[in-house]
Amino acid sequence: AQSVSQHNHHVILSEAASLELGCNYSYGGTVNLFWYVQYPGQHLQLLLKYFSGDPLVKGIKGFEAEFIKSKFSFNLRKPSVQWSDTAEYFCAVISIYNQGGKLIFGQGTELSVKP
Amino acid sequence: DADVTQTPRNRITKTGKRIMLECSQTKGHDRMYWYRQDPGLGLRLIYYSFDVKDINKGEISDGYSVSRQAQAKFSLSLESAIPNQTALYFCATSDSGGPNTGELFFGEGSRLTVL
Repeated sequence: AQSVSQHNHHVILSEAASLELGCNYSYGGTVNLFWYVQYPGQHLQLLLKYFSGDPLVKGIKGFEAEFIKSKFSFNLRKPSVQWSDTAEYFCAVISIYNQGGKLIFGQGTELSVKP
Repeated sequence: DADVTQTPRNRITKTGKRIMLECSQTKGHDRMYWYRQDPGLGLRLIYYSFDVKDINKGEISDGYSVSRQAQAKFSLSLESAIPNQTALYFCATSDSGGPNTGELFFGEGSRLTVL
């Protein structure tokens, strides 16, 4: 079955530390990739997305992600986190040539940033 | 006003009761989705609809039903609620499929507690 795996369930960092959250997927074909963020008590918002082109994509608030096709990965990074980055982060993948395709989410990674 | 509106935002009910969660959108999107979020499990798809006459089961449809009353409205029903349906429910919309498919726009969420 198609799946998305986020290896880090809970990450705790101090402010200014660097962040990398892992995301791997099991689709074999062409995919679109997303990172969503959910701040405490809020709904999910799009952080960044990859459709095609440059595999290094930049999103809001200084986040970026790199698509490595050979590794089926789409890891999220930020050079220096802030307390306001405390949130849950979800990776999501969809196969674009499957007309019945649905966006599949990973389990989520909770990020806690200590001031 | 929010583009995707869910009602109610919070609901406490008892086992065996029928519950309906409603979703309406002003984005003009054809596709609508219902997800549930549980800690450590991420978002799991309950039902989705690609247009008014199209209804599809997701990963965890047992115990749920949906109705697509119009392009802008998609409601989720729990015919006989049980405690393990206690969760945060999200409605989402997306544009029609294509190379840029997959980006979802979420409602604020409906927190349901079944006692």
